[in-house]
Amino acid sequence: NAGVTQTPKFRILKIGQSMTLQCTQDMNHNYMYWYRQDPGMGLKLIYYSVGAGITDKGEVPNGYNVSRSTTEDFPLRLELAAPSQTSVYFCASRQGFNEQFFGPGTRLTVL
Amino acid sequence: LAKTTQPISMDSYEGQEVNITCSHNNIATNDYITWYQQFPSQGPRFIIQGYKTKVTNEVASLFIPADRKSSTLSLPRVSLSDTAVYYCLVGNAGGTSYGKLTFGQGTILTVHP
Repeated sequence: NAGVTQTPKFRILKIGQSMTLQCTQDMNHNYMYWYRQDPGMGLKLIYYSVGAGITDKGEVPNGYNVSRSTTEDFPLRLELAAPSQTSVYFCASRQGFNEQFFGPGTRLTVL
Repeated sequence: LAKTTQPISMDSYEGQEVNITCSHNNIATNDYITWYQQFPSQGPRFIIQGYKTKVTNEVASLFIPADRKSSTLSLPRVSLSDTAVYYCLVGNAGGTSYGKLTFGQGTILTVHP
């Protein structure tokens, strides 16, 4: 199993550009999550999903969108990128109430 | 969701036992407690999870008192490689926010030689 994979690993965006961060898990987990982590800070929940077709907002959803059309994939869409979205983005998945498995992260810089 | 409070930082020395306490005063009946470890530039990694009393695995122990309003992660005989940030999470096993998991500020543990 590859676990949770994220692409790209790094990305630089200009203000106003858009992009999609990809997240895929091959463990057939029902729950998936997107977090962001600013330098020296803890993780903030952006969006989460409890199953295909079901998503909900986390603590900091503004400026982001998600979809969950399949169990495996949970892409995060950034529209009109802003410098405040410069961060490291982590995707995670889990099955039931078991541990979360995290991807390696995507480091995003908005200039 | 139950709010968690942890010390911002702790220092220890190699070979010592480290205890990190997390407060979660408004924990709900169905909530469980999970601890994660995070190294720089990596995603968090699961350490241990429990509901009540004591849980032990190969790397740590988790102590939860009867009122469940706090929990203590115990790391026996720490080494330099245990220097990391440790997060306590309280998970909702039911209700309208089921599935939602949020992280607190975490505790920065620094182990000195």
